[in-house]
Amino acid sequence: NAGVTQTPKFQVLKTGQSMTLQCAQDMNHEYMSWYRQDPGMGLRLIHYSVGAGITDQGEVPNGYNVSRSTTEDFPLRLLSAAPSQTSVYFCASNPSLGSGANVLTFGAGSRLTVL
Amino acid sequence: AQTVTQSQPEMSVQEAETVTLSCTYDTSESDYYLFWYKQPPSRQMILVIRQEAYKQQNATENRFSVNFQKAAKSFSLKISDSQLGDAAMYFCAYRITFGGSQGNLIFGKGTKLSVKP
Repeated sequence: NAGVTQTPKFQVLKTGQSMTLQCAQDMNHEYMSWYRQDPGMGLRLIHYSVGAGITDQGEVPNGYNVSRSTTEDFPLRLLSAAPSQTSVYFCASNPSLGSGANVLTFGAGSRLTVL
Repeated sequence: AQTVTQSQPEMSVQEAETVTLSCTYDTSESDYYLFWYKQPPSRQMILVIRQEAYKQQNATENRFSVNFQKAAKSFSLKISDSQLGDAAMYFCAYRITFGGSQGNLIFGKGTKLSVKP
């Protein structure tokens, strides 16, 4: 089925390790974003992209890096993982920003634990 | 900056009864969108209902309806005839519609709803 695919679904890292959370969508959506969800905090925006080659920071960007080389993919990189980055991560996409009525399509989430 | 507040960390309802989840927000914009998302234990984010700020009429989706009070900046969700499958975390969200951050959602901290049989 078409949608937003996130991999991996679960990952355990040691402090200082690096990793990439993958996000891919096959709906030709212009807009993609990454959120993190922590208990009692709701979802907070990490980074977002309004098109290939364009990225910007959200509310909590520190410790994360993104790039958007294609419309389909929007990977999230942790360069040196810290225990504070233990969280559930969601990727989401949207057809365009032209209509505020457009609804975000979310991936299934990736649970990351940093020891 | 816009903020979204959900003042009820947890709520409980009896099956078949009605429950209302509260949400307030703060913004200086006149046009925006508001959403309620449901997150069951599967972790999937599911859109429940959305409201366009310029529309006076409250949105309704089957058993789910909202009470949108624009002047009071309030956006509550009413669930009628509650079912066991309604048990989940519910998030209120505000969508920025202007400027460089348009398209991004601002979420409340969530309300965990339990449904008692």
